[in-house]
Amino acid sequence: GQNIDQPTEMTATEGAIVQINCTYQTSGFNGLFWYQQHAGEAPTFLSYNVLDGLEEKGRFSSFLSRSKGYSYLLLKELQMKDSASYLCAVKGKRGYSTLTFGKGTMLLVSP
Amino acid sequence: SQTIHQWPATLVQPVGSPLSLECTVEGTSNPNLYWYRQAAGRGLQLLFYSVGIGQISSEVPQNLSASRPQDRQFILSSKKLLLSDSGFYLCAWSRGGAPSYEQYFGPGTRLTVT
Repeated sequence: GQNIDQPTEMTATEGAIVQINCTYQTSGFNGLFWYQQHAGEAPTFLSYNVLDGLEEKGRFSSFLSRSKGYSYLLLKELQMKDSASYLCAVKGKRGYSTLTFGKGTMLLVSP
Repeated sequence: SQTIHQWPATLVQPVGSPLSLECTVEGTSNPNLYWYRQAAGRGLQLLFYSVGIGQISSEVPQNLSASRPQDRQFILSSKKLLLSDSGFYLCAWSRGGAPSYEQYFGPGTRLTVT
């Protein structure tokens, strides 16, 4: 089976840095994805990690430790538009690109 | 560039009525296609995926079914809707082949069963 845990909600202020954690237990591992979802909209792809370490993409970075079953998404220089739900998803089956999603972390950025 | 379309955008249906949601992808060939449901307070739940025409894999047993009559068309159906079928239905595609490719989501259909 597959289990993915993320905090339900987080708050931060504009300009700050926030780290959203994700832990997972899966039968097989083939990569971890982060998606951003604004209220009422579809998720959009943010990052992909398959090897241990940090992937940086502008203000967003994602880290993976496969031995610990742990990832985090780091958001720097927060902006009001970053208020959204952040979904951690794990690809656990080989041969297909099916994803198992966590319930998401709702991030509220205040002025 | 690739685009993914879903319709309708919103739908209100009575319990026991049929359902048909359509998803089409443009600008790519042989995509993997997916149907997800997102219920209030819950995560995205994979319902069906397809790696080719006529090939459907079901992840969760339920009163829904899916079909892929053409390479870039994916349909979600039900003969009789339940109250528990309410939710946000999302279609997604990814490139066929290597499992590392990310999934791209359509705009979604918000279904309310009354």
